[in-house]
Amino acid sequence: QSALTQPASVSGSPGQSITISCTGTSSDVGGYNYVSWYQQYPGKAPKLMIYDVSNRPSGVSNRFSGSKSGNTASLTISGLQAEDEADYYCSSYTRRSTLGVVFGGGTKLTVL
Amino acid sequence: QVQLVQSGAEVKKPGASVKVSCKASGYTFTSYYMHWVRQAPGQGLEWMGIIDPSGGSTSYAQKFQGRVIMTRDTSTATVYMEVSSLRSEDTAVYYCARGGMAVAGLPDYWGQGTLVTVSS
Repeated sequence: QSALTQPASVSGSPGQSITISCTGTSSDVGGYNYVSWYQQYPGKAPKLMIYDVSNRPSGVSNRFSGSKSGNTASLTISGLQAEDEADYYCSSYTRRSTLGVVFGGGTKLTVL
Repeated sequence: QVQLVQSGAEVKKPGASVKVSCKASGYTFTSYYMHWVRQAPGQGLEWMGIIDPSGGSTSYAQKFQGRVIMTRDTSTATVYMEVSSLRSEDTAVYYCARGGMAVAGLPDYWGQGTLVTVSS
């Protein structure tokens, strides 16, 4: 059981937009602006897509955006492309039990 | 450019220990924390702990306290993670990932991963 809750799967057609949610508590997502999102292809290391809730690292497409409301963070991908099909994980700083990091269970994005 | 290069795959028997290394380059090693994260086959990411390469202080996830030790060698810009009393459930890909300049910084750059297989 992961500390942060994500939908197991989402899907969309090319050109559409999708949103992946990430729900935590006031001890993690809701309490800090330290939320990141990662993209992972099978057999590869995760890649940072969004940091500090809504910032994009250099080189990441502006089709990826992040936001937060209360204890829920969201990743939106607009103009879906076939290459976006991957697993996506959210993470947050936490002080639930020990200070550290928690991840969501991951969301499989399928581009139809 | 930031690079994290990890040691190669390992096969261990239950009850043994394994030590994985992660050599950093392309940035000031002592200025950024380093995380360790693992991923069991077909499963999600699991945070294990963090080390401050400057002073060597560590913080471990409760699940791994007493069984994981993270260390660093500033002369070679390398961090190490040792897991003891291995069991089959520890079979996973282990990643090092650079954190921020403060303990709250989440991972940004990741190593390529090290597969550790625990099998009798």
